[in-house]
Amino acid sequence: NAGVTQTPKFQVLKTGQSMTLQCAQDMNHEYMSWYRQDPGMGLRLIHYSVGAGITDQGEVPNGYNVSRSTTEDFPLRLLSAAPSQTSVYFCASSYSIGDRSPLHFGNGTRLTVT
Amino acid sequence: AQKITQTQPGMFVQEKEAVTLDCTYDTSDQSYGLFWYKQPSSGEMIFLIYQGSYDEQNATEGRYSLNFQKARKSANLVISASQLGDSAMYFCAMREAYGNKLVFGAGTILRVKS
Repeated sequence: NAGVTQTPKFQVLKTGQSMTLQCAQDMNHEYMSWYRQDPGMGLRLIHYSVGAGITDQGEVPNGYNVSRSTTEDFPLRLLSAAPSQTSVYFCASSYSIGDRSPLHFGNGTRLTVT
Repeated sequence: AQKITQTQPGMFVQEKEAVTLDCTYDTSDQSYGLFWYKQPSSGEMIFLIYQGSYDEQNATEGRYSLNFQKARKSANLVISASQLGDSAMYFCAMREAYGNKLVFGAGTILRVKS
C-alpha cells in the first residue's frame, strides 16, 4: 500500500542544472498536483493535473514543467535550476478535486540549489 | 481569488488542555470545502478533518473538531486534551467547489508543553 511515492528524498543541484522529481501513485487517483513549501508561506501550488493528458498551471509555475502521460505518474521538471527554487516539494493526489476527497501527500523532496 | 489566513504563527498549550487554531478564509463562492492538515517535524502531511460549506453540523474527528462560522468565514480547529504528539505545524486549506486548486494558509506551529 504505497500511496504517493516521491523520489528522490534529497537533491542538491548547481545553478543551471536540470532535473526531474518523480511522483507516482497507486490509488488510481485522477487528480495530481505539485506544491512547494517555503518557510512562512505555507504550500503553494506549482502545477496540477485532472487526468492523463491534462495539466494546468498553479500559483507559481515559472521554471517548472509537468506532463501526465499515465494516471499513475506526474513528474516535475526543473529546466534550469535557480537558488530561488530551493524548497521542499510535495506531490499530492486525490480521487477527484470537486468534492470531499482529501489530498494524499508524498513524503516530500528537499531540494537545494547552490 | 481564494485566500486563507492563519494569524497565529506559533502557539503553546499545556498538555491535556484544549487549544484553538484560527483560520479565516476569503471566497466569493457559496460552495467550498475546508481542510486541516498536520505536519509533524518528520515532514509528512497528514489529513485531519474536512468541513463542507453546506454541512449542517461542525465536523468532528476524534479529538479534532472544527468551529465553523460561515458568516464570519472562519474555520477554527479545536484540539481537545492536547498530547505531546500534537506538537506540529498545522495548515488550513480551502477548495472551491468548481475549482481545481487546494489553497493553503501559512500554517501555525503548535507546541505542547508537559
